[in-house]
Amino acid sequence: DADVTQTPRNRITKTGKRIMLECSQTKGHDRMYWYRQDPGLGLRLIYYSFDVKDINKGEISDGYSVSRQAQAKFSLSLESAIPNQTALYFCATSDQQGRNEQFFGPGTRLTVL
Amino acid sequence: GEDVEQSLFLSVREGDSSVINCTYTDSSSTYLYWYKQEPGAGLQLLTYIFSNMDMKQDQRLTVLLNKKDKHLSLRIADTQTGDSAIYFCAERKTGANNLFFGTGTRLTVIP
Repeated sequence: DADVTQTPRNRITKTGKRIMLECSQTKGHDRMYWYRQDPGLGLRLIYYSFDVKDINKGEISDGYSVSRQAQAKFSLSLESAIPNQTALYFCATSDQQGRNEQFFGPGTRLTVL
Repeated sequence: GEDVEQSLFLSVREGDSSVINCTYTDSSSTYLYWYKQEPGAGLQLLTYIFSNMDMKQDQRLTVLLNKKDKHLSLRIADTQTGDSAIYFCAERKTGANNLFFGTGTRLTVIP
């Protein structure tokens, strides 16, 4: 079984809808992250969390919110989706070791029409 | 610059060496990483280098670090078709809790 899983893997929605993307991990890591990937822009950090109930904004948090209710789960919400939020979304985890190696989920492809 | 920069595309013939370059932003970054993204998959850590090293070799992979120029490179020897992927460099900036990624370089290996 994969260590970091994301659901759904693909989602098509309409402008104005509320969307939640889920991430679960079995690595026992404290730290979790949400990134979005756009062609030619690489990965940009949306939010990150270092522990349950700990929430920190990343580079591009506007239009997004997150929830960390358990160590193994970190969910990303788009309260009112807009077309420029069409992207590939990745969840990642890391432990507290100095190297901060991040382990990525398989990604969720979101399309907002 | 403020962004981690990479060329977007690289094509090489099977069996040749590939060199993927990256310019990062913070001369004090402690760790620098190379991640590989295969089609339809998430990113996987390929290798990393600590800032007190100039070079790291791991089988077919060689990482070179030039701290003065803030330049990182990844050399893949004897490139195979299975090496076709997008390669991201990333840095861990001083005092930052997260990684900063480059735009990614799409490597295409021609049989």
